[in-house]
Amino acid sequence: GESVGLHLPTLSVQEGDNSIINCAYSNSASDYFIWYKQESGKGPQFIIDIRSNMDKRQGQRVTVLLNKTVKHLSLQIAATQPGDSAVYFCAEILHSGGGADGLTFGKGTHLIIQP
Amino acid sequence: NAGVTQTPKFQVLKTGQSMTLQCAQDMNHEYMSWYRQDPGMGLRLIHYSVGAGITDQGEVPNGYNVSRSTTEDFPLRLLSAAPSQTSVYFCASSQTGTGDTEAFFGQGTRLTVV
Repeated sequence: GESVGLHLPTLSVQEGDNSIINCAYSNSASDYFIWYKQESGKGPQFIIDIRSNMDKRQGQRVTVLLNKTVKHLSLQIAATQPGDSAVYFCAEILHSGGGADGLTFGKGTHLIIQP
Repeated sequence: NAGVTQTPKFQVLKTGQSMTLQCAQDMNHEYMSWYRQDPGMGLRLIHYSVGAGITDQGEVPNGYNVSRSTTEDFPLRLLSAAPSQTSVYFCASSQTGTGDTEAFFGQGTRLTVV
C-alpha cells in the first residue's frame, strides 16, 4: 500500500552543523505534510507543516522543502543544538480538512547531536 | 491549559484482562484519534472521531473499541488484552476546519501485556 517513509533511521551530526532529514511519500494525492519531533518518553510535537501548493516553508531554525515531482520532503535544521536530539517523523494528510484522523506517519529518523 | 491528557502513563495487564485508556482534551477540538507506536515503526492509527457521537476505524482497529460521548473525552478500550497489544499509545486532537490540521498529542500510555 501507499505509505510515507524515511530514508535513514539514524542521523548523527555535530553540534552547530546543519541537519537534513529526508522523507519520501508515495501518494501523489497527499496535500498536506507535517514534521513532528518526538523526544524520549514524550508525545510527538508539531514542528512545521507545508501544503502541496508550496515548495518551501521556513520557521525558526527549520525549513521544510517539498519536491512534488519526486515526492520527497525534507526537514532542515540550522545550527543544531543538543536539544534537537529526538526522533523526527514526517506525516501526510490526504485531505487538509481531515484533522488528526488523516495523519499517516513515516517510521522516524533518530537525530543524534554530537558535541 | 492542559492540552491533551492521557491516563494512565504506565499499565501492565495480564492476557485476557480488559482496561480503558483515558484521553481528554480541553481545546474544544472536534477531531480526536488514537495511535499506537511500536519500536522501529511510525505511529499507526487505531480509531478516530470527527465529533461527538461519531467514530471510525483506522489502520489497526482490531482488538480496540472507542466511543465519543462528549467533545472532550475519547476513551480507548481493550476488551481482552493480548501480548501483541504491548505498545505505547498516543491520543491526539485537532480542531476542525481546513486552515489548521495540526494535531496535538498526549504524553502517551505505555502498556505491557504479559
